[in-house]
Amino acid sequence: DTEVTQTPKHLVMGMTNKKSLKCEQHMGHRAMYWYKQKAKKPPELMFVYSYEKLSINESVPSRFSPECPNSSLLNLHLHALQPEDSALYLCASSQTGTGFDGYTFGSGTRLTVV
Amino acid sequence: QKEVEQNSGPLSVPEGAIASLNCTYSDRGSQSFFWYRQYSGKSPELIMFIYSNGDKEDGRFTAQLNKASQYVSLLIRDSQPSDSATYLCAVLSGGSYIPTFGRGTSLIVHP
Repeated sequence: DTEVTQTPKHLVMGMTNKKSLKCEQHMGHRAMYWYKQKAKKPPELMFVYSYEKLSINESVPSRFSPECPNSSLLNLHLHALQPEDSALYLCASSQTGTGFDGYTFGSGTRLTVV
Repeated sequence: QKEVEQNSGPLSVPEGAIASLNCTYSDRGSQSFFWYRQYSGKSPELIMFIYSNGDKEDGRFTAQLNKASQYVSLLIRDSQPSDSATYLCAVLSGGSYIPTFGRGTSLIVHP
């Protein structure tokens, strides 16, 4: 299994809703990441989990709440989002977390906040 | 501020030609360099990485690194319409384990 699986692929939510994004990998990778990408922009780092511990939070607003229940699973809980949070949300993993081995990205969740 | 610069394009090349994509970076201590391909509406896919000065070839792709001049290039030989995508350069600076992404170059290969 060489994939990172993200669900759902598309999500439309209202500003008062609570929803969650899910990411799963079974490659034994030790680091997992959440990125946000707007159209025609590079991916923007949100969170890094290394060995299931949150190691980086890039000053992300608290309406985004990450969770890593185990080494294969990463969630992103969403609450009270704003329309400007609409974007492609990418999960990625890397084998060592050192940065030297590059990322495997999931297919992404296209989020629209209405 | 660590910067990674790419020409946003689009770079348009005819089918069968060599496409040359360039990336410059500001941190002289950078150690690892990555090229990702991203089709419209899809997620990035790692296609090449390079650590040492010189060329690294993988099929139709060649990555070229020149640390003295602080640039890394991606050459795509025998370009195909299926190569049409945005190519993101990512650079890992010394002491960091999070790469800095460039804004990407849009490549269009026309038949």
